[in-house]
Amino acid sequence: AQSVSQHNHHVILSEAASLELGCNYSYGGTVNLFWYVQYPGQHLQLLLKYFSGDPLVKGIKGFEAEFIKSKFSFNLRKPSVQWSDTAEYFCAVNGHQAGTALIFGKGTTLSVSS
Amino acid sequence: DGGITQSPKYLFRKEGQNVTLSCEQNLNHDAMYWYRQDPGQGLRLIYYSQIVNDFQKGDIAEGYSVSREKKESFPLTVTSAQKNPTAFYLCASSSVTTNYGYTFGSGTRLTVV
Repeated sequence: AQSVSQHNHHVILSEAASLELGCNYSYGGTVNLFWYVQYPGQHLQLLLKYFSGDPLVKGIKGFEAEFIKSKFSFNLRKPSVQWSDTAEYFCAVNGHQAGTALIFGKGTTLSVSS
Repeated sequence: DGGITQSPKYLFRKEGQNVTLSCEQNLNHDAMYWYRQDPGQGLRLIYYSQIVNDFQKGDIAEGYSVSREKKESFPLTVTSAQKNPTAFYLCASSSVTTNYGYTFGSGTRLTVV
């Protein structure tokens, strides 16, 4: 079955701490991988995406993620978080075939204290 | 500007009534999707459509119905058979020529009382 597993339900960090949010997926075939962020009261925004090529992808606001095919993982990282990073983060996967639906993880809530 | 319009933003219905949520896009996208978002559950796929007059069930289709009579429109009906309809509903679209141009609507919060 196609699924996405996000390891942490709620992460609490102090400003300037480093962040790593885990994401593992189960999906047959070649995949596209995504991280979305939802700030309180706002819409989903795309942080970054991986389709092919360099497995280390950089996104907006200093975030990056690494695709490790052998581990079926796509972990999100940021070297130094800010209070404004407080949000819910969703990992998602779909297949390379156009028009395939995104499958989302359950999300990780990040709380950053100043 | 191109985008997805979901209306209304907030919707209240009495238990036992069917209700239809609107989703319109002017992006010329072929594929459209409906997701349900609940706290701690992430986004779960209800239905999706890759082409006009065709749609497929997602993971939680029971109690919902859709239609795709026009490329621009993909309305979702929450029927009285849906046991727990109170939720936040998100519509999305994507091009079938590229598989990463997903656009999300602003959502409809449905409360059934």
